[in-house]
Amino acid sequence: ETGVTQTPRHLVMGMTNKKSLKCEQHLGHNAMYWYKQSAKKPLELMFVYNFKEQTENNSVPSRFSPECPNSSHLFLHLHTLQPEDSALYLCASSQDHHSGTGTSGGNQPQHFGDGTRLSIL
Amino acid sequence: SQQGEEDPQALSIQEGENATMNCSYKTSINNLQWYRQNSGRGLVHLILIRSNEREKHSGRLRVTLDTSKKSSSLLITASRAADTASYFCATLTRSSNTGKLIFGQGTTLQVKP
Repeated sequence: ETGVTQTPRHLVMGMTNKKSLKCEQHLGHNAMYWYKQSAKKPLELMFVYNFKEQTENNSVPSRFSPECPNSSHLFLHLHTLQPEDSALYLCASSQDHHSGTGTSGGNQPQHFGDGTRLSIL
Repeated sequence: SQQGEEDPQALSIQEGENATMNCSYKTSINNLQWYRQNSGRGLVHLILIRSNEREKHSGRLRVTLDTSKKSSSLLITASRAADTASYFCATLTRSSNTGKLIFGQGTTLQVKP
């Protein structure tokens, strides 16, 4: 049990469907992350939220839309995905420090959920 | 270009032997982290080493960092079958203030009983 729960664990969807991935952390952390893990590729950061504000969008296509309603929940809304979007989507959280000039993220370990295995038909 | 690159890509050893994995990176870092991933699961944090540290230990794990060579190594001593997993290094670059870790492609370790 990592303290980070992702649902669903598996998702199969057509290219015209709309679905959402959910992540919930029970660790009291203030930063949350979405990653994409494809076969034969390094883990790719997609989005970072610090204190519910999006602080990083790593050039992710607009068919992926994140939402962070509070510091414990993170969603990834999906619509009109492509076959190359099939991958394992991982959520993570960490307790980062907020300074007056911005966050000092990345200085604490990240805690990962077990991911959602997404297949696009 | 990729920040973290692990070497070797795959490693197979007998139980009880030591396993060494290496990671190289390109730009100045704030810290370097090692993670483990079992098949079908998420990543588990192992060790974080800061740029002003040279070595850290955690149980059977030993991590070294050489900032002059921009490289790190992870040593697992007295390996067990349960250590079978993929191991990733991740770097936080000095220019980042958003927690953006850059991961390598990983080393797949198989420990045979």
